[in-house]
Amino acid sequence: KNEVEQSPQNLTAQEGEFITINCSYSVGISALHWLQQHPGGGIVSLFMLSSGKKKHGRLIATINIQEKHSSLHITASHPRDSAVYICAVGRYNTDKLIFGTGTRLQVFP
Amino acid sequence: EAQVTQNPRYLITVTGKKLTVTCSQNMNHEYMSWYRQDPGLGLRQIYYSMNVEVTDKGDVPEGYKVSRKEKRNFPLILESPSPNQTSLYFCASTRGGAGYNEQFFGPGTRLTVL
Repeated sequence: KNEVEQSPQNLTAQEGEFITINCSYSVGISALHWLQQHPGGGIVSLFMLSSGKKKHGRLIATINIQEKHSSLHITASHPRDSAVYICAVGRYNTDKLIFGTGTRLQVFP
Repeated sequence: EAQVTQNPRYLITVTGKKLTVTCSQNMNHEYMSWYRQDPGLGLRQIYYSMNVEVTDKGDVPEGYKVSRKEKRNFPLILESPSPNQTSLYFCASTRGGAGYNEQFFGPGTRLTVL
């Protein structure tokens, strides 16, 4: 079993829909990261969080440390949100990141 | 502009021909890392470096070498590439430890080994 699991693997949505991507992990962590990878490959960091909730524009990330679960929400989705979203955790007491396999999101007009 | 650069962006080579992929960052970050990305497997760490002259193996180091002679540069060396090293490679840097600091990724290098 992977130490970081994401669901769903693939997601399609109509423009304007509310989207949720989930991430569960099985190890102790120092922080959890949400990354975005657009077609063409580049990866950018969206959020890093170790507790609670963070918001940036239409994106919201939450984490529940006790349940070892995080969610990434996109409100009022737009075709430019189409990308692969990757969850990664920093394993506690190490300098390593463990990555999920990503969620491919397609938003249609 | 704060950035991580990689070169080349695309490379097609043949089995056994030594190659180097360069990585450079301008943010004075201590930590640098190389990852490979394969379909269905996600990103996997190859090697990382905590600082100059300090390197360590990641999860998939076989067939790769690295060096960290300067803080800004962290080249990835494939001494004798094989087809199973065909992949998309990313260099990343961060201040301090990778787990609890924002990662900055390079644009990626798509390598094909024939």
